[in-house]
Amino acid sequence: DIQMTQSPSSLSASVGDRVTITCRASQSISSYLNWYQQKPGKAPKLLIYAAFSLQSGVPSRFSGSASGTDFTLTISSLQPEDFATYYCQQSNSTPLTFGGGTKVEIK
Amino acid sequence: EVQLVESGGGLVQPGGSLRLSCAASGFTFSSYWMHWVRQVPGKGLVWVSRINSDGSSTSYADSVKGRFTISRDNAKNTLYLQMNSLRAEDTAVYYCARPGRYCSGGSCYWYFDYWGQGTLVTVSS
Repeated sequence: DIQMTQSPSSLSASVGDRVTITCRASQSISSYLNWYQQKPGKAPKLLIYAAFSLQSGVPSRFSGSASGTDFTLTISSLQPEDFATYYCQQSNSTPLTFGGGTKVEIK
Repeated sequence: EVQLVESGGGLVQPGGSLRLSCAASGFTFSSYWMHWVRQVPGKGLVWVSRINSDGSSTSYADSVKGRFTISRDNAKNTLYLQMNSLRAEDTAVYYCARPGRYCSGGSCYWYFDYWGQGTLVTVSS
């Protein structure tokens, strides 16, 4: 199984901050990497697919990048509605696996 | 508008059974593979199972293999998850999810673009 190691597990940031979340795959997954945002009591929401592509309707302050087996989700200027938990997920092979999540909290 | 609505969750004793349903609308259900993903309250997301578009192929996480069965009724636009021999560790919110696909440069990439609202399964005596 492909392990997805996400870091940090939590972070505190202020509105307007640039936030970076990292996800490392245990083996090569090409660009088969997706990012989701989840708010309490809600289903996950797709932000980024295929490592770099912004889902329709998602603000452009969200972006994805990759280097080998390391993937990054960047929020360029954190907004109040961005406080949530973020998950990466690989779709290279089954079992599909998710990172452990990063909770973004208000500083 | 794409909608996925799960039902069938509830409280069940260890060793018991439960069948979850996911009613789909707003898209051609029979053209899509479908998945179940679960989440222990306060914990992360875990993929459970998937089924191909005509129901002829299925796949399971090791943790549920042999106990859970995914199926679908394309005439009713409904996805199912039959859960047998339930354990306390199966307690979770269960989501059904529809994968979208993006193809570029000879590769196709899969992602979950639509999710249901989730249904809570609690396994406890």
